[in-house]
Amino acid sequence: GQNIDQPTEMTATEGAIVQINCTYQTSGFNGLFWYQQHAGEAPTFLSYNVLDGLEEKGRFSSFLSRSKGYSYLLLKELQMKDSASYLCAVRVPYGGSQGNLIFGKGTKLSVKP
Amino acid sequence: EAGVTQFPSHSVIEKGQTVTLRCDPISGHDNLYWYRRVMGKEIKFLLHFVKESKQDESGMPNNRFLAERTGGTYSTLKVQPAELEDSGVYFCASSPGQLYGYTFGSGTRLTVV
Repeated sequence: GQNIDQPTEMTATEGAIVQINCTYQTSGFNGLFWYQQHAGEAPTFLSYNVLDGLEEKGRFSSFLSRSKGYSYLLLKELQMKDSASYLCAVRVPYGGSQGNLIFGKGTKLSVKP
Repeated sequence: EAGVTQFPSHSVIEKGQTVTLRCDPISGHDNLYWYRRVMGKEIKFLLHFVKESKQDESGMPNNRFLAERTGGTYSTLKVQPAELEDSGVYFCASSPGQLYGYTFGSGTRLTVV
């Protein structure tokens, strides 16, 4: 089966750093995505990792270890607008295609003043 | 460029009725995906089109759901007859190729009463 785990909720302070972890057990692996979703809005793409290591993009970084089935999203210099749900998703190959996304339940991050 | 557009944004129907959801992908995106999130659960894959062909429909819950993408442009997802457990948010996503990221629409919130 497919299983992606991430914490349900996290709270952090404005200006701080927060790390959101994601572990996965899937039948295949073709990349890991992080999405941000504000309530009632579309999930928006944050990052993509297919090889081990750290990918940095501004205040956001994402790390992947394929051997451990583990990823994290690191958010620096937190702002109030970063309050949102963060979705971890693994692309799993299907047939001859590159595959489709398997999502975790998401981590609701609340940023406090 | 215009994003992925979904219509309607909300729909409330009675059990046993029919509802059709529409998705307009980003122009030129051959890959179109349907996902669904029921309350308290993770976003789950329904099916994947490449142009007008169904690449993968392994996530479709049962034969009450029918997806089409005539002409390889917009797609419709029809639920007939709707049941209470069909309530949730239906997301559409598109991508230019299978190695690219996915752009999601804001979703259609379907409530079956």
